[in-house]
Amino acid sequence: NAGVTQTPKFQVLKTGQSMTLQCAQDMNHEYMSWYRQDPGMGLRLIHYSVGAGITDQGEVPNGYNVSRSTTEDFPLRLLSAAPSQTSVYFCASRRTRERSNEQFFGPGTRLTVL
Amino acid sequence: AQSVTQPDIHITVSEGASLELRCNYSYGATPYLFWYVQSPGQGLQLLLKYFSGDTLVQGIKGFEAEFKRSQSSFNLRKPSVHWSDAAEYFCAVGVTGGGNKLTFGTGTQLKVEL
Repeated sequence: NAGVTQTPKFQVLKTGQSMTLQCAQDMNHEYMSWYRQDPGMGLRLIHYSVGAGITDQGEVPNGYNVSRSTTEDFPLRLLSAAPSQTSVYFCASRRTRERSNEQFFGPGTRLTVL
Repeated sequence: AQSVTQPDIHITVSEGASLELRCNYSYGATPYLFWYVQSPGQGLQLLLKYFSGDTLVQGIKGFEAEFKRSQSSFNLRKPSVHWSDAAEYFCAVGVTGGGNKLTFGTGTQLKVEL
């Protein structure tokens, strides 16, 4: 199993540009989520999905969209990038929505918005 | 609302010395508690987790953590630190609702002196 994969690893955008961060998992996990990591703030939940076709907002959803058309993929879209979205983005998955399940993390995407 | 506090932003220990990283949580119901480690440029890896039962849990890489309900704490310990343990450590609480998300602390950066 490849686990949770994310592309790209690094990205530089100009303010106002849009882009999609890709996330895929091959473990048939129902639950997937996106976090952003900023210095001194830990990881904050952006959006999550409890299954194909079902998404919901986390703590910091503004400026981001998600969709879940398949179990495997959970892309994160930045509609109009802003410097405040400079961050490291992590995708994660777990088998079900049960709290006890281990959450597996991808390697991250480092995004810089100029 | 739930929260996790890691009071130490940075900790430096000598190789071979013992380690304790502090974590305090605030959550009204039974907590599901996790410790994750993040090596530079990497995603997060689960060290250990607590759901119920024995309050002293063993994890990977020789780490252990003790759940103390009376103190709302879940401190991470290791008897003898290795240089390869240098990383950032995150405590997290799994909560009900909101997709049963993880709420993370802000992390503790561990430096190991040789």
